[in-house]
Amino acid sequence: QKEVEQNSGPLSVPEGAIASLNCTYSDRGSQSFFWYRQYSGKSPELIMFIYSNGDKEDGRFTAQLNKASQYVSLLIRDSQPSDSATYLCAVTEGTGTASKLTFGTGTRLQVTL
Amino acid sequence: NAGVTQTPKFQVLKTGQSMTLQCAQDMNHNSMYWYRQDPGMGLRLIYYSASEGTTDKGEVPNGYNVSRLNKREFSLRLESAAPSQTSVYFCASSAAGALGAFFGQGTRLTVV
Repeated sequence: QKEVEQNSGPLSVPEGAIASLNCTYSDRGSQSFFWYRQYSGKSPELIMFIYSNGDKEDGRFTAQLNKASQYVSLLIRDSQPSDSATYLCAVTEGTGTASKLTFGTGTRLQVTL
Repeated sequence: NAGVTQTPKFQVLKTGQSMTLQCAQDMNHNSMYWYRQDPGMGLRLIYYSASEGTTDKGEVPNGYNVSRLNKREFSLRLESAAPSQTSVYFCASSAAGALGAFFGQGTRLTVV
């Protein structure tokens, strides 16, 4: 059973701080890694993807991947109350059309004023 | 610019009733997926379709059937609903695994 593990939280950070969200995965064959944001009662929204070891930055978001440690993280700089949501980590074992996305259970982030 | 559209948004069924959840995407994606989301369980894959004419089981397929009607549409059928199928159901589509998937707005299903 391929697994994706996340701490369920809640992770509470003050406004303006850096939020650090972590995810580990069990399948060494995983090739593509994604972070989704899900507001309460809404559908998941893709916010970041990363394929190679290292960092990838997009605005206030940075995704970090370490394949040797089977670890992927998401940093949110200058956290805002609007960032309060559940963040889902997802991985695929391939890159083609037959690849399936496996999700973690998500980490709930609370940004406090 | 609709993306992935699911119908209905809400549904209440009695135990033993059947129903079909509809999903359509207008992004010309090859792959389509059905997930269910339960509190504390995350998103679990029910069935997926890598291309028109093909379907495969996911993690929790029991009690469900699917049809990939054409490239745009992928339906999920509950033949005899059970209370354990009370959940939020999401349809998603993807051009390829490396590009991630895009989700519909979800169907909240309650089986009483």
